[in-house]
Amino acid sequence: QQQVKQSPQSLIVQKGGISIINCAYENTAFDYFPWYQQFPGKGPALLIAIRPDVSEKKEGRFTISFNKSAKQFSLHIMDSQPGDSATYFCAASIQGAQKLVFGQGTRLTINP
Amino acid sequence: DAGITQSPRHKVTETGTPVTLRCHQTENHRYMYWYRQDPGHGLRLIHYSYGVKDTDKGEVSDGYSVSRSKTEDFLLTLESATSSQTSVYFCAISDRGQGETQYFGPGTRLLVL
Repeated sequence: QQQVKQSPQSLIVQKGGISIINCAYENTAFDYFPWYQQFPGKGPALLIAIRPDVSEKKEGRFTISFNKSAKQFSLHIMDSQPGDSATYFCAASIQGAQKLVFGQGTRLTINP
Repeated sequence: DAGITQSPRHKVTETGTPVTLRCHQTENHRYMYWYRQDPGHGLRLIHYSYGVKDTDKGEVSDGYSVSRSKTEDFLLTLESATSSQTSVYFCAISDRGQGETQYFGPGTRLLVL
């Protein structure tokens, strides 16, 4: 019940296209869903996060879509750029628990 | 990397030897974490600490121990390293005052031969 399943494992998108990464969870107690971005040789860094009281959150070209009934959430990167090439992790947490459960990661490559 | 350093950054060791990785933070955050990152498995929590001398196990704690004698330092020890512990190890910190956000260090790449 603590798992977060992420797909796809790898994704190649052309510059200017839309990148979509999906995550699914089982534990209905999760109430915080962040996405982390990791560049090669670096530690992950928070990109964007959502709580289940909203169905969508947008920050610049990055949007999280959240479907509470399906227990799924996704990251959309609009107008994808080569600089977006990185590994992306979804995660989930219970508020106040100060512990994150991470998905398996998606290696995104944006071709110029 | 949010005032987090990890040492060493790279290490090669032999099976059966003890290894200690250090995480040092200058942010005075209460919570500290050790993760390992492996292809296909994402980030998996090894151990975490919720205060000085207060630690708890994560999902992959077998073969690892931790200690936290000061707020700023969190040590991860592999008592007798095995090849299956070859991985990249990340330290992270968080604080309730900043919600659930975790800030990660630069990582330590460990190779066990």
